[in-house]
Amino acid sequence: QKEVEQNSGPLSVPEGAIASLNCTYSDRGSQSFFWYRQYSGKSPELIMSIYSNGDKEDGRFTAQLNKASQYVSLLIRDSQPSDSATYLCAVYSGGYNKLIFGAGTRLAVHP
Amino acid sequence: DTGVSQDPRHKITKRGQNVTFRCDPISEHNRLYWYRQTLGQGPEFLTYFQNEAQLEKSRLLSDRFSAERPKGSFSTLEIQRTEQGDSAMYLCASSIDGDQPQHFGDGTRLSIL
Repeated sequence: QKEVEQNSGPLSVPEGAIASLNCTYSDRGSQSFFWYRQYSGKSPELIMSIYSNGDKEDGRFTAQLNKASQYVSLLIRDSQPSDSATYLCAVYSGGYNKLIFGAGTRLAVHP
Repeated sequence: DTGVSQDPRHKITKRGQNVTFRCDPISEHNRLYWYRQTLGQGPEFLTYFQNEAQLEKSRLLSDRFSAERPKGSFSTLEIQRTEQGDSAMYLCASSIDGDQPQHFGDGTRLSIL
């Protein structure tokens, strides 16, 4: 079992729709969770961090965390073509020594 | 506010050659990390430093790989006797402390001929 799992996609949504990206993790002790956006050929860019159960909103992005279910999600409202990228879920493991990444979900927003 | 800086951006070399990459973290960040990313995968942890101390190394980091962070500032990652399988994007990240977000540099893309 992989430590952090994501659906590879592609997830295709029309412009203006809500994109929902999901992630599960295996380490019950994990406390810190992050979403990164990565455009093709570029490096990961931090877009959200979440530490507590519930929702955290930042602009068009909402991160949701459920530690009991070991589940993290990212919602992107009013999706734009510029949101087309791979979204990486990352979890701290090993006592905050390293981030464990999922393989990423590719999002395609079509006009 | 300058971000994480990596040099070079691209490196093409022949199999068997040695290569060295440099990373300059965000100035107030104590922690510095190296990751490797191949196509279709998320970044994989290689090693990390707390100031100048290298505190953890992944099993992925074979004896051909070595990393340093002298004086707790910039870091270098050296790969000796490169192999085809070393072709990847090498990413450096830094964070203020544990459990804080990591910020990535632009990466060094290594291609082995």
